[in-house]
Amino acid sequence: DVKVTQSSRYLVKRTGEKVFLECVQDMDHENMFWYRQDPGLGLRLIYFSYDVKMKEKGDIPEGYSVSREKKERFSLILESASTNQTSMYLCASSFGTAGGYSYGYTFGSGTRLTVV
Amino acid sequence: QKEVEQNSGPLSVPEGAIASLNCTYSDRVSQSFFWYRQYSGKSPELIMSIYSNGDKEDGRFTAQLNKASQYVSLLIRDSQPSDSATYLCAVNIMNYGGSQGNLIFGKGTKLSVKP
Repeated sequence: DVKVTQSSRYLVKRTGEKVFLECVQDMDHENMFWYRQDPGLGLRLIYFSYDVKMKEKGDIPEGYSVSREKKERFSLILESASTNQTSMYLCASSFGTAGGYSYGYTFGSGTRLTVV
Repeated sequence: QKEVEQNSGPLSVPEGAIASLNCTYSDRVSQSFFWYRQYSGKSPELIMSIYSNGDKEDGRFTAQLNKASQYVSLLIRDSQPSDSATYLCAVNIMNYGGSQGNLIFGKGTKLSVKP
């Protein structure tokens, strides 16, 4: 089974702190994604990456950055945490697309971040 | 703006009944469709994928796709209380000139199966 591992299940950080959320997958997936999920708003894409050193902004990148130095690891960085970044953060990975067809995503277990 | 629409629910069905979950999407060229189940406080789990028009069955689950109507559904037969969860529909949207794609997720339908 594909495993997508997020480093922390719960995190509490102070406003203004720099926060690192780590995600590691073990199935040689090309594509990796970071989402946040809030009640009533669904899954919102923050950043994604199709390859090492490659990153693309999703729908809500403001206040976030990412790093992908190795194929298996995709890190989300909150440059200066704010209370409106309190959320569930989900990492996902996938083999990507072949012949116009997409593989499904595998999600990590999520990190519930509270910024106080 | 490419969209995936689902009724938010809650959809309540008695144990043993058939639960029917529906999803419409806006991008006519989408080729890949997925259903995810998400229990409260947990992450989404892939339960079905479908790529061709028609039905695809896996145990108690049947996914149905109609590309002409831009409609995908999930049927759960013999519903169990353990099926109570939020079900997310996801559709691939191609970008980068068609070389890559991302999934667009609906906001989910909350299903409650009553004993």
